[in-house]
Amino acid sequence: DGGITQSPKYLFRKEGQNVTLSCEQNLNHDAMYWYRQDPGQGLRLIYYSQIVNDFQKGDIAEGYSVSREKKESFPLTVTSAQKNPTAFYLCASSIGGRNTGELFFGEGSRLTVL
Amino acid sequence: GQNIDQPTEMTATEGAIVQINCTYQTSGFNGLFWYQQHAGEAPTFLSYNVLDGLEEKGRFSSFLSRSKGYSYLLLKELQMKDSASYLCAVSPADRGSTLGRLYFGRGTQLTVWP
Repeated sequence: DGGITQSPKYLFRKEGQNVTLSCEQNLNHDAMYWYRQDPGQGLRLIYYSQIVNDFQKGDIAEGYSVSREKKESFPLTVTSAQKNPTAFYLCASSIGGRNTGELFFGEGSRLTVL
Repeated sequence: GQNIDQPTEMTATEGAIVQINCTYQTSGFNGLFWYQQHAGEAPTFLSYNVLDGLEEKGRFSSFLSRSKGYSYLLLKELQMKDSASYLCAVSPADRGSTLGRLYFGRGTQLTVWP
């Protein structure tokens, strides 16, 4: 079955450490996205990529980095520069191009900084 | 900027009908999405409206008025499993934006009581 796989589901990190969240999709989608969700707030876009080897900053990119070396993979690194990293992180993909923009989401990764 | 508003919380009883409203102000418009999100899980797609009017899908319907910047999600014959957060999201028509770049409201937490 096609879908999006995020790992790990839960992650604990000490302050000052970088951590990388994995996102893999087998939907053959061109576009991939990382959103952050905090209690009482809407999903906020961190980074997105419309094609391999290209990505753009979203609304809250500071303290994060991404890469898109393969169509299937879009890992997100939360660096020590991110001031408030504890959150629920959602990866999504869409067909891209002139489609409706429907997003397909992974199950999410919950990061807690101790 | 983009502004999307929806009520924070709503409650209803099993078997009832509930209407969740969403108003938006965005720089252009390429469609409006509704997603359902159960606690700790990924959002799942419910509906998409790009033209004015009502779209019906089983117990769920979604309405759009582009001139008023307004949409609603109508849930009929409520069931306990409908208790979830309902997210309104808009695809703007910014120059250079990808259609998958959605802006989300904060979500409406619906609680269905027996």
